[in-house]
Amino acid sequence: GAGVSQSPRYKVAKRGQDVALRCDPISGHVSLFWYQQALGQGPEFLTYFQNEAQLDKSGLPSDRFFAERPEGSVSTLKIQRTQQEDSAVYLCASSLAEGGAYNEQFFGPGTRLTVL
Amino acid sequence: AQSVTQPDIHITVSEGASLELRCNYSYGATPYLFWYVQSPGQGLQLLLKYFSGDTLVQGIKGFEAEFKRSQSSFNLRKPSVHWSDAAEYFCAVVQNRGGTSYGKLTFGQGTILTVHP
Repeated sequence: GAGVSQSPRYKVAKRGQDVALRCDPISGHVSLFWYQQALGQGPEFLTYFQNEAQLDKSGLPSDRFFAERPEGSVSTLKIQRTQQEDSAVYLCASSLAEGGAYNEQFFGPGTRLTVL
Repeated sequence: AQSVTQPDIHITVSEGASLELRCNYSYGATPYLFWYVQSPGQGLQLLLKYFSGDTLVQGIKGFEAEFKRSQSSFNLRKPSVHWSDAAEYFCAVVQNRGGTSYGKLTFGQGTILTVHP
């Protein structure tokens, strides 16, 4: 079966533009995570969904970042008024069951966002 | 707050040589521990994980890791490296406190592995 897919794979935005990044998790996966990976760094947690409920958004760096998963499957990460410091690879991961370390997270290839 | 340290940013080895990538964590209790590999343009792939029990864990692609509580370490090893192992490797932890952690991963900054023929 298909893995986690993300689109677009690359996005270039001018400073101040809004962007939307899409994640298609593995079908049937309950949990969905977003991570941000800056150049030369490890991924950092942004937010977590269990089905359509956003249970943890403690990692979102500012109120310009917004994520949703309205039907418990596809998720969108939206960044408003992009800034240069938002340039990073945005990774999505899904896991089969409810959140917990026992459930392996499967990662998508990421979206590389460059803000000029 | 928990943290993960990978002291080596870049390691170069010859094909066929042994490999050890270091990982140290800072956390009050034993967390759940993971190693991931990231190849260019690819998503992160889980190599192995440690939850409890035997402190030497085996993973895919011939990798193993050993948990040492006294040193707060979880080093990744491979006896003989292949050119296809060239990639970036990340150590990660999850807080061992059940559902309230939601399984969110805290990653180290990564170690880039270069393999010379």
